[in-house]
Amino acid sequence: GNSVTQMEGPVTLSEEAFLTINCTYTATGYPSLFWYVQYPGEGLQLLLKATKADDKGSNKGFEATYRKETTSFHLEKGSVQVSDSAVYFCALKGYSTLTFGKGTMLLVSP
Amino acid sequence: EAGVAQSPRYKIIEKRQSVAFWCNPISGHATLYWYQQILGQGPKLLIQFQNNGVVDDSQLPKDRFSAERLKGVDSTLKIQPAKLEDSAVYLCASSPGLVITATNTGELFFGEGSRLTVL
Repeated sequence: GNSVTQMEGPVTLSEEAFLTINCTYTATGYPSLFWYVQYPGEGLQLLLKATKADDKGSNKGFEATYRKETTSFHLEKGSVQVSDSAVYFCALKGYSTLTFGKGTMLLVSP
Repeated sequence: EAGVAQSPRYKIIEKRQSVAFWCNPISGHATLYWYQQILGQGPKLLIQFQNNGVVDDSQLPKDRFSAERLKGVDSTLKIQPAKLEDSAVYLCASSPGLVITATNTGELFFGEGSRLTVL
């Protein structure tokens, strides 16, 4: 079946540091891939997505590239801000819905 | 545009009691999902509706969980009787796409969730 594996958190960074959150997946075929973010006290919201191999999704300074050869979709940001503190979920779309990873908490200090 | 509404936000009950959660999706969204998110884990799909029909309920513990979406709009998820391991956040999400169409982008719009604590 489909599955998503994310690096364990929390990831603790200082403001303006470089961020990488690793995500790998197992799936049949070529699923669409997503990163969702959950800010404190809020619901999950879509951050970015990629629908085919070598696509790069980007939003709010975050990027992730769909790598078919390594079955990965790592999330990166060049310079994090305190407001980026949240839980980040990698997900893949199967036939009809999403399968999520366990989430990675990011804590950014001033 | 109003988002996905859920209630109650918090509920504390004792084991073997019952509880119900309500969800009102974004207007016009055909597909509605209930997810269970246990602390430290990612959301797990419980049930998926397209309009008022069930598309997937394979991971719903049917001996204690039930859900309905009678008029194809809002939905109720019920747990009876509750167990300690049901303590979790219950997330409702909706999507404008139909399940089997190629235009289903996979983007889900989530509510803030209902946090259940079973003592």
